This record gives sequence, C-alpha cells and structure tokens, in this order.
Amino acid sequence: QITLKESGPTLVKPTQTLTLTCSFSGFSLSANGVGVGWIRQPPGKALEWLALIYWDDDKRFSPSLKDRLSITKDTSKSQVVLTITNMDPADTATYYCAHRRPIILRGITITAFDYWGQGMLVTVSS
Amino acid sequence: DIQMTQSPSSLSASVGDRVAITCRASQTIINYLNWYQHRPGKAPKLLIYAASTLESGVPSRFSGSGSETDFTLTISGLQPEDSATYYCQQSYGAPWTFGQGTNLEIK
Repeated sequence: QITLKESGPTLVKPTQTLTLTCSFSGFSLSANGVGVGWIRQPPGKALEWLALIYWDDDKRFSPSLKDRLSITKDTSKSQVVLTITNMDPADTATYYCAHRRPIILRGITITAFDYWGQGMLVTVSS
Repeated sequence: DIQMTQSPSSLSASVGDRVAITCRASQTIINYLNWYQHRPGKAPKLLIYAASTLESGVPSRFSGSGSETDFTLTISGLQPEDSATYYCQQSYGAPWTFGQGTNLEIK
C-alpha cells in the first residue's frame, strides 16, 4: 500500500525559505519510471503543479517558480524534500506530495499522480 | 505551457442524475488527460487516466472520453459521495497543468 505524508512548518515569514518533506512508503524511488511530485492549492483556488523528481534524479519545475524551487530525494530514507525560497503571502497554500505513476501509451510514457498525501497548509505571514 | 479550461466552473445536480464536465486544452494533447476528484479536506483521487481508462477501484458510473483538445468526464447515476471538485490535468508534458476545477454539488 502506497502512502505519502507531508511535514514541515505551518507558518513562515515573508522572504524566508520553506522546506517541506514528503515521507513515503509502499514504493521505492529507485524503481524505473517512478517519481514524486509536489502540487499546491491556494485557498479557494485550483491545483498547481510545482516540481517532480524522477527515480534517476532527473527533475522538472514549474517555469513560473523555477528560480525559487529545489527538490531532492533520499532513497534510503524514502523521502523527498522541496524547498521554496523567498516565500510570499501569495505562496500560502495546502501543499501536497504525490506518487508519479508512469503510464506507457503507444511507446510514450506519461504521468499520472495516483497516490497523494493528505496535504499540509502552509501560511506565509509576518 | 498548455492551458486547460474546464466548464462549467460549478454545477448542481440531484442523486441519480447524469452530469458532464468538459475540459479543453490549448493545444492537442492526444489522449494524455487525467481526471481527479477532490473532496474538501481529503487528498485528490485519480479517477481516469489516458482520457478514458478508469483507475482501479473507481466506480463504473465515472467515464471519460475525448481526444486532441476536447475531453469530457461523465458521471452517471450521481451519488451523494460524488459531491467534490473535479480537475482535469494534461499529462502531455511538463509543466503538468490542471484545469481550474468544477465544483459539483449534490442537491
């Protein structure tokens, strides 16, 4: 059974760096095709994909946030860490991590997020 | 980035009704389209991937169709537990973008 859980501070001040940890079980991040992504949802708004790290340490970032994001994995600890620098009140959101399932269609591998953590609300305020 | 536009943004229906939610991509995404259900306070749930493939364990009253730029999520025989916000997401490539969501209320 795949489970994921987000942890980190629930309140950060503007300009600070946010560090979130996704702890997971039920899969290995060294398995071919697997990945872990981060998605957020500001209050009353839609889901927004932020970053993804693959089993081979390849990474993808949202272009609008690329300069502020970093993502790393610790396979031995079954953890993925997302950092966001220079936090702003507009970054207030529920942050989710999710398991990336590789789906092969006509020889092309696409992405679905099939298991998600419960999410954690991070508030940015002075 | 590929923009995903859902309609309607909200709808209200009764138990037993059939509803359809549409999602339009700003460019062709072939059939690389996923649908998620998101209940308040819960983790989003994958319902359908590749436009029409039902995720394991998802009730058969959910179905998906479409290709290229236009896609539809249909829920037949609405149940009270279907009250949620539904999102489409393109899986054509990064950045993986979501629609703005459709809030479904069960009367």
